[in-house]
Amino acid sequence: EAGVVQSPRYKIIEKKQPVAFWCNPISGHNTLYWYLQNLGQGPELLIRYENEEAVDDSQLPKDRFSAERLKGVDSTLKIQPAELGDSAVYLCASSGTGQRNTEAFFGQGTRLTVV
Amino acid sequence: AQSVTQPDIHITVSEGASLELRCNYSYGATPYLFWYVQSPGQGLQLLLKYFSGDTLVQGIKGFEAEFKRSQSSFNLRKPSVHWSDAAEYFCAVGGLTGRRALTFGSGTRLQVQP
Repeated sequence: EAGVVQSPRYKIIEKKQPVAFWCNPISGHNTLYWYLQNLGQGPELLIRYENEEAVDDSQLPKDRFSAERLKGVDSTLKIQPAELGDSAVYLCASSGTGQRNTEAFFGQGTRLTVV
Repeated sequence: AQSVTQPDIHITVSEGASLELRCNYSYGATPYLFWYVQSPGQGLQLLLKYFSGDTLVQGIKGFEAEFKRSQSSFNLRKPSVHWSDAAEYFCAVGGLTGRRALTFGSGTRLQVQP
């Protein structure tokens, strides 16, 4: 079974440019998460989807970040415009349904460098 | 609000020595607790999890962790460390109520000396 797939693995952009990250969760997983991981830190939640609905986006900086999960499967996270401080690893994760399924399976992440 | 504290930023042990990584959590209800490992440039891999029942849980790669409610702790242990265990280890808490998403600690970097 394929795991969570993210692309690209690495991205270097100039500040003020837009950037997008893509995530394909594990088949059948209704819950999808985007996490931000700064260097030397643990992941921090940006947004959580239950199917196509964003149910927890309180930590998403909405002035420049946006996300979508059309059809409740793949998801895209966008930053526009990017700032130097956005340099980090963006992790996507998914989990199954049910109250005990808080175990999240992670993709390899996208490492963003803003120059 | 839920939170996780990993007091040790960096730990160095000799290969073959025992290991204990500390984790303390704050959660208002029955917690679900996890340990993940992250190798350089990789995503997070689940080592083990605690939901309920036996407070000593076994995981992959010879790791185990013990849930102590009275101490709000979920320490990770391994009796004999291998060089391949060098990585970053994250403790996380989640639960039934409130946010389902996991809250992670800041991690402990493990270095293994030959």
